[in-house]
Amino acid sequence: KAGVTQTPRYLIKTRGQQVTLSCSPISGHRSVSWYQQTPGQGLQFLFEYFSETQRNKGNFPGRFSGRQFSNSRSEMNVSTLELGDSALYLCASSLDARDNEQFFGPGTRLTVL
Amino acid sequence: AQKITQTQPGMFVQEKEAVTLDCTYDTSDQSYGLFWYKQPSSGEMIFLIYQGSYDEQNATEGRYSLNFQKARKSANLVISASQLGDSAMYFCAMRERGTGNQFYFGTGTSLTVIP
Repeated sequence: KAGVTQTPRYLIKTRGQQVTLSCSPISGHRSVSWYQQTPGQGLQFLFEYFSETQRNKGNFPGRFSGRQFSNSRSEMNVSTLELGDSALYLCASSLDARDNEQFFGPGTRLTVL
Repeated sequence: AQKITQTQPGMFVQEKEAVTLDCTYDTSDQSYGLFWYKQPSSGEMIFLIYQGSYDEQNATEGRYSLNFQKARKSANLVISASQLGDSAMYFCAMRERGTGNQFYFGTGTSLTVIP
């Protein structure tokens, strides 16, 4: 069974641009969560989607948004990029929103110049 | 207050020795889960072990065991017989029912296994 895949793996953008990251969960998994990982702040929860509905949202500005499609694939979008948005963005999938185990993807490393 | 606290930014252990990575948590929920993840330099988070708040026995998975002390709100990870491949960042995490099962992660402990 294929694991969680994230595309692209690396991305370089400039301030003010927007970016869309994609996550394909493990087949059969319906819950997808997104995290931002930076050296200073560690792993911070962005949002969680289950069956195309956002179930939880972390403490991030409205520039960060996401969605989930009917096939459980998820995208997150960051608009008006800032230097501080440079981070590793991790996606995790689980069978459902109350599953005990999350499987993480390899992440997308975003650099904002 | 921090939901998850890992007080050891870095740890060193001799190969084949055991090591304990500390984790304390803060919650008022009765129902919660505790997790440990490993993140090698490649960046991918790898699930290691899970402990439910109602589990009476400490969880074990191969060389990993979770020392769960509910009254002290601690969930330390014990790695026995350390191997060079164990060198990585280790994150403690909690999922509590009260916040819609959202995950909270600690700041991590960097473990280096010395040959």
